[in-house]
Amino acid sequence: DSGVTQTPKHLITATGQRVTLRCSPRSGDLSVYWYQQSLDQGLQFLIQYYNGEERAKGNILERFSAQQFPDLHSELNLSSLELGDSALYFCASSGTPNSNQPQHFGDGTRLSIL
Amino acid sequence: GESVGLHLPTLSVQEGDNSIINCAYSNSASDYFIWYKQESGKGPQFIIDIRSNMDKRQGQRVTVLLNKTVKHLSLQIAATQPGDSAVYFCAENGAGGTSYGKLTFGQGTILTVHP
Repeated sequence: DSGVTQTPKHLITATGQRVTLRCSPRSGDLSVYWYQQSLDQGLQFLIQYYNGEERAKGNILERFSAQQFPDLHSELNLSSLELGDSALYFCASSGTPNSNQPQHFGDGTRLSIL
Repeated sequence: GESVGLHLPTLSVQEGDNSIINCAYSNSASDYFIWYKQESGKGPQFIIDIRSNMDKRQGQRVTVLLNKTVKHLSLQIAATQPGDSAVYFCAENGAGGTSYGKLTFGQGTILTVHP
């Protein structure tokens, strides 16, 4: 158990809809990261938050957004969903972003767009 | 863009053998590397890491080797067990500034251990 909690585990919805994925980092970790894992793209970095502030962005679509709350949990919002958004979405956490520390991953949310 | 790639997409070994999984990286400025194991239905699980000022690091049954000259990383698993069957990813951490934390993953190698 990595200590990172993601909910829900599975999400099935239709094109055009909006969903919210939730992540609770490991106790004491201030930095949260979101990744997308698809069969054709592999694991791709989306966005990083540190202590409530956005710190880095990867190949995240404009339809996607995230935030980190004062209690350090994070949410990833996906809107105007398309079939190609079907993927596994992982959250990871680490202590601080400015040092070499491993990121610890949750077990992901599997998003299926019908 | 920068990328991390694996030479071998699949590896099959017998239980008890040693396994070696390889990874090539392209960003010579990367200063931190991590190996993850991903089992079906689970998230990537941290195995071992290494900083660029080292060329070898050992853990329990695992060893990571880093060759910065040829930008190559390998994971050695001793006495491989059926429970080691999984997909293995190497990842590099961006060097400096806001690149820290932005892990770039390789494609992954499927390790299958036969009893």
